[in-house]
Amino acid sequence: AQKVTQAQTEISVVEKEDVTLDCVYETRDTTYYLFWYKQPPSGELVFLIRRNSFDEQNEISGRYSWNFQKSTSSFNFTITASQVVDSAVYFCALIGNRDDKIIFGKGTRLHILP
Amino acid sequence: GAGVSQSPSNKVTEKGKDVELRCDPISGHTALYWYRQSLGQGLEFLIYFQGNSAPDKSGLPSDRFSAERTGGSVSTLTIQRTQQEDSAVYLCASSLAWGQGMTEAFFGQGTRLTVV
Repeated sequence: AQKVTQAQTEISVVEKEDVTLDCVYETRDTTYYLFWYKQPPSGELVFLIRRNSFDEQNEISGRYSWNFQKSTSSFNFTITASQVVDSAVYFCALIGNRDDKIIFGKGTRLHILP
Repeated sequence: GAGVSQSPSNKVTEKGKDVELRCDPISGHTALYWYRQSLGQGLEFLIYFQGNSAPDKSGLPSDRFSAERTGGSVSTLTIQRTQQEDSAVYLCASSLAWGQGMTEAFFGQGTRLTVV
């Protein structure tokens, strides 16, 4: 069965601090994709990144970076020098090639305090 | 269309009435998903379609919920005899299927359903 665990329900940090959001996944598929989405207070789900199971290279996009480690089944997301606009709920998600269904974690609510 | 379109954006209905929620996916996307999000909660998987067929209906909460997709495009989620616990935001998403070169799922703005 596919499963995505985001153990951190809620995190609060002061602006300009770095923060890491954890994501641990379970799958029996050898080929799969992992995703991160952002849901700001306005409610829409915004795609941030997609990573396939054969690409373990870390990725950096501005203040955002992602660390994919198959050995620990983790796909963690770090925001550097956080800003108030980063306040949102962040979801990690998984789809495997044998079960063509996107499974989401329960999300981490991130508060960036001014 | 340019994005996933859902209608209505808001729906208030009386307990016991039936409602239909519509999703218009991105043209060419064969995979279509329905999720439910209660206030402050995560995304609860309901059902997904590959073309017009629904390989996995396991997430539908009860037999009051049904969904269909016609022409590999528009999907309708129907809730019969609505209950107050059905109140939530219903989100639709579409994507290319695995065989097409999987992409991320693109989400609509959602339908906020309130059962009074």
